[in-house]
Amino acid sequence: GAVVSQHPSRVICKSGTSVKIECRSLDFQATTMFWYRQFPKQSLMLMATSNEGSKATYEQGVEKDKFLINHASLTLSTLTVTSAHPEDSSFYICSARGKKLGGKNIQYFGAGTRLSVL
Amino acid sequence: RKEVEQDPGPFNVPEGATVAFNCTYSNSASQSFFWYRQDCRKEPKLLMSVYSSGNEDGRFTAQLNRASQYISLLIRDSKLSDSATYLCVFESSNSGYALNFGKGTSLLVTP
Repeated sequence: GAVVSQHPSRVICKSGTSVKIECRSLDFQATTMFWYRQFPKQSLMLMATSNEGSKATYEQGVEKDKFLINHASLTLSTLTVTSAHPEDSSFYICSARGKKLGGKNIQYFGAGTRLSVL
Repeated sequence: RKEVEQDPGPFNVPEGATVAFNCTYSNSASQSFFWYRQDCRKEPKLLMSVYSSGNEDGRFTAQLNRASQYISLLIRDSKLSDSATYLCVFESSNSGYALNFGKGTSLLVTP
């Protein structure tokens, strides 16, 4: 079953709305969570790295005031797209890096959130 | 130069064929390598890790050549269900273990 839960899976909203996406690791504690974005026919691009209890590290070109990341616990990170505009329409995917029992540290992906801003 | 380069394809092959994908990377500090597959409008799923010694998982064989900075994936006896986009991915500790993805190689297996 899924080890990383991401909600919602689909959002359609009006321009100017803020949208919050949740990412939860279900049966392990994630030392680090990552947020990626994928535009059509493009590769996944890292937006930010989120460590529990500290500020997220944003990639160049990603506005931290527009994409607010909160990593309140070892199992939950949220991404809020503030005042979304049509150009923010994309597929947002989170991943959580951690170890399941007895395993190695690997990244597990959420199912993604498809955001469409009208 | 992009950090990860892959031939986007598409590769159209008949069922039962053998197909190989290559990928080159430019970051010599890359430490871990993977092949992921991504189905249309879905999240990427780990197919296999790639080791210098080469590794096999059923019909899939992966190789890593650190000196030439490329990795490869060989799929034998292709199935219709193998149709997907195959992503070449690496991870390095100096980027906080974030994954670097190639754009992917599209594979279509036909009956």
